[in-house]
Order: sequence, then structure tokens, then C-alpha cells
Amino acid sequence: AQTVTQSQPEMSVQEAETVTLSCTYDTSESDYYLFWYKQPPSRQMILVIRQEAYKQQNATENRFSVNFQKAAKSFSLKISDSQLGDAAMYFCARRGRDDKIIFGKGTRLHILP
Amino acid sequence: EPEVTQTPSHQVTQMGQEVILRCVPISNHLYFYWYRQILGQKVEFLVSFYNNEISEKSEIFDDQFSVERPDGSNFTLKIRSTKLEDSAMYFCASTGTSFTGELFFGEGSRLTVL
Repeated sequence: AQTVTQSQPEMSVQEAETVTLSCTYDTSESDYYLFWYKQPPSRQMILVIRQEAYKQQNATENRFSVNFQKAAKSFSLKISDSQLGDAAMYFCARRGRDDKIIFGKGTRLHILP
Repeated sequence: EPEVTQTPSHQVTQMGQEVILRCVPISNHLYFYWYRQILGQKVEFLVSFYNNEISEKSEIFDDQFSVERPDGSNFTLKIRSTKLEDSAMYFCASTGTSFTGELFFGEGSRLTVL
């Protein structure tokens, strides 16, 4: 089965500190996309960052970066200089040629002031 | 900024009733999706839709579910005879390109089946 696993249901980080959210996935494909989506309370999911599997370079978007380890099928999200607005549910997801996006169960991130 | 809109935001229905959830995707998008999220659980794929037909569906999407794009702007999810276990948040999403494209999600429709 094609699965995405987020092993941390909840995490907390002090404001201005750095936090890393873990994600592993299972796929038999060589070409796919990986995503981190953020879901603030009572709001829709928005894309945080995207990684193409054929690219070795880790994606970066301002304070957000990923550590993509293709052989290990690992895709972690690092948030630097955490801000109160970063508090949300974060979903790791994989999209393959079958046009489905498979989501992990999510990690709820709390930012401590 | 264009966005995906969903109505209703919350619907309460009796078991066995039909429910229609409506979505207006971003206007130039071609690929449409429904996902659901049971409270406290992960987001699950239901169905994808392209060129006026279903392109992929999950095991959850059984004969009780149907989708259509009746007028070129709305994208609806119908549940024919709701069950208690259909209670969930239902998210519509759209994208302009398959595979590589970012999905844009609506805010969701919460369905409560009593």
C-alpha cells in the first residue's frame, strides 16, 4: 500500500526556535511529488512547500525547508525562526502518477510564546 | 486571489437522507478532487475528476457517492443515503495541472449525520 507516515501527532516549539517535523512514505514509483500542507484552525489547507522526487536539491521557501532523503523515503520539514502564526496542523503528502494525493495523519504544531 | 469555495460550511442531516455538497473550483482549473477528514484522523482521498469524468476513486467512494460538474463552474459531491460514518469534513480541491500542480483546497464542509 502507498502510505505516508507522520510519527509525531503533536509537537511544541518555542517562538523563534527551529522545529523539524518528520515524514516517511512508501512508493514503488521513481517519479512523484512530495508536499507539506498547513491547515490553520478552521481554515483550508494551504501549500507550504513542494519537492520533486527527481531533484536532489532540497526545496526551500523562506523559513521553511525540507530534508529529502529519497533512498530512505524520508521528507522532513524544518521551520526556522518559528512564529505564532505557524501554529497549525501540518500534513505531509505524496502525489504520484495515479493522480491521487495521499496524506499523512498530520502533526499538530504548537508555538509557545 | 482566486480561491476554492465550498457550501454549506456545516450541514446536519438524518441518517438515510441525501446530501449534496457544493464546490466552486478556481475558474481556469481543470482537475477537481474531493477529500474527507473524519475528526482526528487523516485526510483521505475520495475521487478525482477531469474532462467531465471520474479519473480515479478510492475504496471509500462507493455507489452511495457521486460527483458531477453540472454547469461548468460547480463541482458537487452527492451522498445518496447518508450513514453515521459519513460524518466528516469534506474538502474540495482543484488544480490547473495534474501530477505536478499544487492543489488548492476549499475551507471544507462539515457533515454531521445523526
